[in-house]
Amino acid sequence: DAKTTQPNSMESNEEEPVHLPCNHSTISGTDYIHWYRQLPSQGPEYVIHGLTSNVNNRMASLAIAEDRKSSTLILHRATLRDAAVYYCILGPAGTALIFGKGTTLSVSS
Amino acid sequence: SAVISQKPSRDICQRGTSLTIQCQVDSQVTMMFWYRQQPGQSLTLIATANQGSEATYESGFVIDKFPISRPNLTFSTLTVSNMSPEDSSIYLCSSAGLGAVEQFFGPGTRLTVL
Repeated sequence: DAKTTQPNSMESNEEEPVHLPCNHSTISGTDYIHWYRQLPSQGPEYVIHGLTSNVNNRMASLAIAEDRKSSTLILHRATLRDAAVYYCILGPAGTALIFGKGTTLSVSS
Repeated sequence: SAVISQKPSRDICQRGTSLTIQCQVDSQVTMMFWYRQQPGQSLTLIATANQGSEATYESGFVIDKFPISRPNLTFSTLTVSNMSPEDSSIYLCSSAGLGAVEQFFGPGTRLTVL
């Protein structure tokens, strides 16, 4: 399985944008870039996914490097509710997700 | 999006006993998966629950310890057999629809083995 590298932790202030990086230099052509997050005491929650082009949805934006070897999840205005572990995962559609350690995001008021 | 429920939400069990966890999806889905999350750790894939056939297990997980059923497109069970304290974890199921990229997760079953 293709591996991702994420910082262990990041901090943000409320109302500010957050850029969560992910490196995936061994990504294959069929791998989607998936982002999930896990709030305390909950199951993981889908955030966004992309293949080659940048993507936006109501939760976040995903910026994908032209060579696809890295990507950035962008939360436009962090709230306290965004404090969670964020996982960047590679894989084809319809296959199991292989979770790494993720990035623990702390948000301060 | 699919809504997934799990039963029980938590349980405390004695060593040597077995517990069956149920996962119910509110719509028909192609893929269902079972994960384990040990305390303070990330999720580890246990197996893919295949409808109408045997589950596909990941390295380190065996059918005798974690038998899985998937009788239809909306339901699956995971049994944790002959439990030991090392099996204390959160067990989660997830699902994905045909052709869908996104997966949806249940809330998890928190298991404590004494």
